[in-house]
Amino acid sequence: DQQVKQNSPSLSVQEGRISILNCDYTNSMFDYFLWYKKYPAEGPTFLISISSIKDKNEDGRFTVFLNKSAKHLSLHIVPSQPGDSAVYFCAASGSNAGNMLTFGGGTRLMVKP
Amino acid sequence: NAGVTQTPKFRVLKTGQSMTLLCAQDMNHEYMYWYRQDPGMGLRLIHYSVGEGTTAKGEVPDGYNVSRLKKQNFLLGLESAAPSQTSVYFCASSWTGGFDQPQHFGDGTRLSIL
Repeated sequence: DQQVKQNSPSLSVQEGRISILNCDYTNSMFDYFLWYKKYPAEGPTFLISISSIKDKNEDGRFTVFLNKSAKHLSLHIVPSQPGDSAVYFCAASGSNAGNMLTFGGGTRLMVKP
Repeated sequence: NAGVTQTPKFRVLKTGQSMTLLCAQDMNHEYMYWYRQDPGMGLRLIHYSVGEGTTAKGEVPDGYNVSRLKKQNFLLGLESAAPSQTSVYFCASSWTGGFDQPQHFGDGTRLSIL
């Protein structure tokens, strides 16, 4: 059973609008969450992270929100740009897992000009 | 700066054949990882290493072996390839396994088993 789930396989938004990517997890021992971005034929690259002691972390156009009670996190991209079109993976880690990452299945974001 | 380099980029094997995937990193990272990516499954950890000469099993280790004889290299071996091992394989490395140490990934090896 997947411990980290991204229930939307794909998302399409217009350039300049907000993109919201969602991620749910089931393991309450996870205490660190990351988002990776992946272009075709390339490896994933780290985008942004958040510790469970926070509920928000912001880096430029990217903001990650964490709702621990709901075991839910989301990535907001504002404003969305065509270059943001990629697959986004949510990942989680916890001290009980030796800090190894558990990934979600990914969401393909398409930003239309 | 090359970062993480995977060799080869593509390979087609027949069932039962063996092969080794090579991962090399030039960042002096202690930790290295092998993942496989399948459609809808995200990346799943096969094996990892916390330093030269050490290896450990991840989530899906069956059918694979690894070695870390040199700090900069992490090899993934398939002794007898099976169609279920058709996948895209990614190698990654990080300074440590700490929360604040993001993993750096190579560009992947696309492996098809016929």
